[in-house]
Amino acid sequence: AQSVTQPDIHITVSEGASLELRCNYSYGATPYLFWYVQSPGQGLQLLLKYFSGDTLVQGIKGFEAEFKRSQSSFNLRKPSVHWSDAAEYFCAVAAIWGGGNKLTFGTGTQLKVEL
Amino acid sequence: DVKVTQSSRYLVKRTGEKVFLECVQDMDHENMFWYRQDPGLGLRLIYFSYDVKMKEKGDIPEGYSVSREKKERFSLILESASTNQTSMYLCASSLKSQGAGANVLTFGAGSRLTVL
Repeated sequence: AQSVTQPDIHITVSEGASLELRCNYSYGATPYLFWYVQSPGQGLQLLLKYFSGDTLVQGIKGFEAEFKRSQSSFNLRKPSVHWSDAAEYFCAVAAIWGGGNKLTFGTGTQLKVEL
Repeated sequence: DVKVTQSSRYLVKRTGEKVFLECVQDMDHENMFWYRQDPGLGLRLIYFSYDVKMKEKGDIPEGYSVSREKKERFSLILESASTNQTSMYLCASSLKSQGAGANVLTFGAGSRLTVL
């Protein structure tokens, strides 16, 4: 069965600093990987996804993630964090079944941005 | 704009009550999902459905059931609510597809259930 590990429960960065959120996955085949963000009181919004091809994927809000098969990782990065990026971030891996994606999520990383 | 609507944002129920959580999507999606979200545990899949009247167990189905009588509506049922079912419940939907064309999940805003 697939699994996702997000080793950092909480991360605090200063506004304008760079950000990297770690994600490691376990899956027996080529993974489909996702990053979602959840702002307080909101549902989850897709930031970006990796299906195949270029291992560096661009998402919304200036985020990017790099798929590294050798390290089973899919880390999320942003060069300069804004105060509005404070939220909880979830990495997910998809198990492909007959009808589409069944996502397994990590436990999340709570991002705090200091002004 | 595509939308997944969960009818109740906040519910408070008593132990032993039957609880219905409703989810409606207006995107004509075939797949629908129910997750629960708990601090430190992330999102865990309860049940999902890939067609009307079809359902599949997720990772934590115990204590829950679901109903999908219409394509746009997916209900989560707690037959006899217990305090350990106090949680945030998230509904999601997606198109039916496979492989590289697989589509992503669109989530509702969530229903926070407290069982006393």
